[in-house]
Amino acid sequence: EDQVTQSPEALRLQEGESSSLNCSYTVSGLRGLFWYRQDPGKGPEFLFTLYSAGEEKEKERLKATLTKKESFLHITAPKPEDSATYLCAVRGAGNMLTFGGGTRLMVKP
Amino acid sequence: EAGVVQSPRYKIIEKKQPVAFWCNPISGHNTLYWYRQNLGQGPELLIRYENEEAVDDSQLPKDRFSAERLKGVDSTLKIQPAELGDSAVYLCASSLRGSRESGNTIYFGEGSWLTVV
Repeated sequence: EDQVTQSPEALRLQEGESSSLNCSYTVSGLRGLFWYRQDPGKGPEFLFTLYSAGEEKEKERLKATLTKKESFLHITAPKPEDSATYLCAVRGAGNMLTFGGGTRLMVKP
Repeated sequence: EAGVVQSPRYKIIEKKQPVAFWCNPISGHNTLYWYRQNLGQGPELLIRYENEEAVDDSQLPKDRFSAERLKGVDSTLKIQPAELGDSAVYLCASSLRGSRESGNTIYFGEGSWLTVV
C-alpha cells in the first residue's frame, strides 16, 4: 500500500525566512510525485511533478527535489502570499494518487 | 480553457437526507476522480472512472454512496441517506490518460463543501 507522510504539519515563517517542507513516501513503482498548493476554500492547485531521483523543478520561490524515499519543497524568501497548505502525493503502479496530510504554511509579514 | 467545474459549492442538509454533487471535467479528459477531503487532512480517493467505466471504487461506501458517469463526460456523486460523518469537501478531478507528460497530472475542481446537521 502506498503511503505518504508530510512534515511538519504546520510551519510559521517570517517573511524572507527560507525553509523546507518534507514528504516521505513508500510506493510500489513510482509513476510520479506531485506537489499541490491548496488555499482555504479552494481545491488543490497543481505545482510540480517529479518522476525520478535527482530531478528538480522550480517555480518562482519554490523548488521541489526528489530522492528515492522523500521529496522536499524548498521555499526561498517566502512572502505572505505563499501562505497555504502544501500537499504531496504519489502515483504508484496502481495508478492511484495517494496524498499526505499536508503542511500548513503561514508566512508573517 | 475552463477547469474542472463542480456544483453546488456549498450544501447544508439534515442527516438522513439525500444529496448529489455534479462535476464537469476538463474538456477531453477521459479519466475522472472523486475524492473526499476531511478538515486538516489530504484528499482520499472514492472512485476513479476511465471514460464511462468505474475502474477503482474500492473506497466508495456502497451502502449509501453511488456515482455515475454517463457518456464518459459529466459525473454525479450521490449520498443517500447522509450521515453526520459525511461532512467533508467532495473534490472532483480529471486527467488525460496518455503519455507521461500529458497523462499524469490530475487537475482538481474547487470542491463541494457538505455539512450534515
